[in-house]
Amino acid sequence: AQSVAQPEDQVNVAEGNPLTVKCTYSVSGNPYLFWYVQYPNRGLQFLLKYITGDNLVKGSYGFEAEFNKSQTSFHLKKPSALVSDSALYFCAVRDLRRGSTLGRLYFGRGTQLTVWP
Amino acid sequence: DGGITQSPKYLFRKEGQNVTLSCEQNLNHDAMYWYRQDPGQGLRLIYYSQIVNDFQKGDIAEGYSVSREKKESFPLTVTSAQKNPTAFYLCASSMGYANYGYTFGSGTRLTVV
Repeated sequence: AQSVAQPEDQVNVAEGNPLTVKCTYSVSGNPYLFWYVQYPNRGLQFLLKYITGDNLVKGSYGFEAEFNKSQTSFHLKKPSALVSDSALYFCAVRDLRRGSTLGRLYFGRGTQLTVWP
Repeated sequence: DGGITQSPKYLFRKEGQNVTLSCEQNLNHDAMYWYRQDPGQGLRLIYYSQIVNDFQKGDIAEGYSVSREKKESFPLTVTSAQKNPTAFYLCASSMGYANYGYTFGSGTRLTVV
């Protein structure tokens, strides 16, 4: 089955330090992977995606993610965290199986990132 | 500007009432989705629609109903059969191609009073 796992419910980091939010996936075939961010009482906003090509993907707000096929991971990273990065982050994988629900995304449970001053 | 609009932002429902959440998009997206979000449970798919006049149940469809009479609109009705409807509801749309993600609305918070 298509799925993603976010092993950490919460990540805390000091402002200015690098941050990593972890995601592992399980798919049949090549993975199409996404990261979204959610601020309180708002919808999800797209950050970045991996479809093919370079394993290091750059996205919005200075975020990047590293695709690792051997470890089936797609960790979200940022070199220097800001207090304003504090939010809920979701990893997602696209279902590409034949006969699937035309591109349904499967989401992880989310990781709450807190950046303290 | 193109986007996806959910209304109302906050909704209160009495026990035994049906309520309808609105979702409208002007992105010309084919696919639309409804998710329910509860603390610590991530996003759970309620219903989705790939084309007009067609929709399928997601993982937690019981107690909910939808319609897709127009490409732009995908309203969700929370019926009295839904025993625990208090949650944050998110609507999303997509081109339906594999390399596209979703565009989300800003959500509706439903509370049973």
